[in-house]
Amino acid sequence: AQSVTQPDIHITVSEGASLELRCNYSYGATPYLFWYVQSPGQGLQLLLKYFSGDTLVQGIKGFEAEFKRSQSSFNLRKPSVHWSDAAEYFCAVGARNTGTASKLTFGTGTRLQVTL
Amino acid sequence: EAQVTQNPRYLITVTGKKLTVTCSQNMNHEYMSWYRQDPGLGLRQIYYSMNVEVTDKGDVPEGYKVSRKEKRNFPLILESPSPNQTSLYFCASSQGFEAQYFGPGTRLTVT
Repeated sequence: AQSVTQPDIHITVSEGASLELRCNYSYGATPYLFWYVQSPGQGLQLLLKYFSGDTLVQGIKGFEAEFKRSQSSFNLRKPSVHWSDAAEYFCAVGARNTGTASKLTFGTGTRLQVTL
Repeated sequence: EAQVTQNPRYLITVTGKKLTVTCSQNMNHEYMSWYRQDPGLGLRQIYYSMNVEVTDKGDVPEGYKVSRKEKRNFPLILESPSPNQTSLYFCASSQGFEAQYFGPGTRLTVT
């Protein structure tokens, strides 16, 4: 069975500082990988996804993530954080063997706080 | 505008009173799914549907039912709600290998 670990429950960074959110997955083959963001009181918005090909993927709002097969990781990065990035971030893995990427398993989330 | 809608957005009910949370998508997606979100547990899948009349259990299906009679709709039914079903519920849809689109969520409180 697939699983996702987000080891950081809560992270605080200063506005303008760089950010890296960690995500480790467990899956028997090459997975589909996603990062979603949830602002307070909102639904989940897709930031970026990895299906195949280039292991460095670009997303919306200046975010990027790198798939590292050897480390079973898919860490999310942003070079300069804005106060509006304060939210909860979820990493998710999709199973290829269902024929779609849609059987998602989510991590428990990392809450990002941005200080001014 | 492509979207997933859920109703109601907020619901307070009592133990044992049957309720239905509706979910509708306007993107002609084949795949739909229900999740519940609880603090410290992330999102856990309740049920999913690969297409009309095709549904299957997710990771936490106990106490829930679903149906998929039309492609656009995927209601979540709680026949006899209990306090441990107090949670934030999300419906999502997708097509093929694309990422899922999520609805705005339904906050359910069962007293």
